[in-house]
Amino acid sequence: LAKTTQPISMDSYEGQEVNITCSHNNIATNDYITWYQQFPSQGPRFIIQGYKTKVTNEVASLFIPADRKSSTLSLPRVSLSDTAVYYCLVVDDNYGQNFVFGPGTRLSVLP
Amino acid sequence: DTGVSQDPRHKITKRGQNVTFRCDPISEHNRLYWYRQTLGQGPEFLTYFQNEAQLEKSRLLSDRFSAERPKGSFSTLEIQRTEQGDSAMYLCASSWRDRTYEQYFGPGTRLTVT
Repeated sequence: LAKTTQPISMDSYEGQEVNITCSHNNIATNDYITWYQQFPSQGPRFIIQGYKTKVTNEVASLFIPADRKSSTLSLPRVSLSDTAVYYCLVVDDNYGQNFVFGPGTRLSVLP
Repeated sequence: DTGVSQDPRHKITKRGQNVTFRCDPISEHNRLYWYRQTLGQGPEFLTYFQNEAQLEKSRLLSDRFSAERPKGSFSTLEIQRTEQGDSAMYLCASSWRDRTYEQYFGPGTRLTVT
């Protein structure tokens, strides 16, 4: 199966930009890389998806290099409400189509 | 539509019993996914459906687990002969077929096996 790694935790202060990187090998060549946010006692919530280069939406940016062996989620000007766990999601198509979540990065935003 | 719903929200069962969970997806979504999540870990993929067809099942999944989506709407996940290691949060998600990476998750069913 595809393996993903993420930093276990990160701390930031309000108003700062936060970058969270996920390393992933052996992922499907034709599938998107996606990031989710999860608050305690809730299911994950979709943030952004991308295939290559850079994608931006109203809440985040996603950077994916040409080799697609990693991806970086960028959160501009974080607030206290951004304190959550962030997961990358990739697809492993070596044995069918399996959706593989990363181990998650716990982001703590401090005042 | 109020989103993905799951029932029950909590289930406590004794080892060896069978349990069944229900998921009601967002009505216009044709794909439905089941995941399992243990404390401190990312969700682990179990299976997914497109309409009523089960398209994928994790090869790591025990034969004690089975899922159905008989009419392409709600889905059930059954665990037979539960074990303590089955204790986890079971998450359901749904999406449109052509936006499979944008999955909408329900609140989950927390299973405790004693």
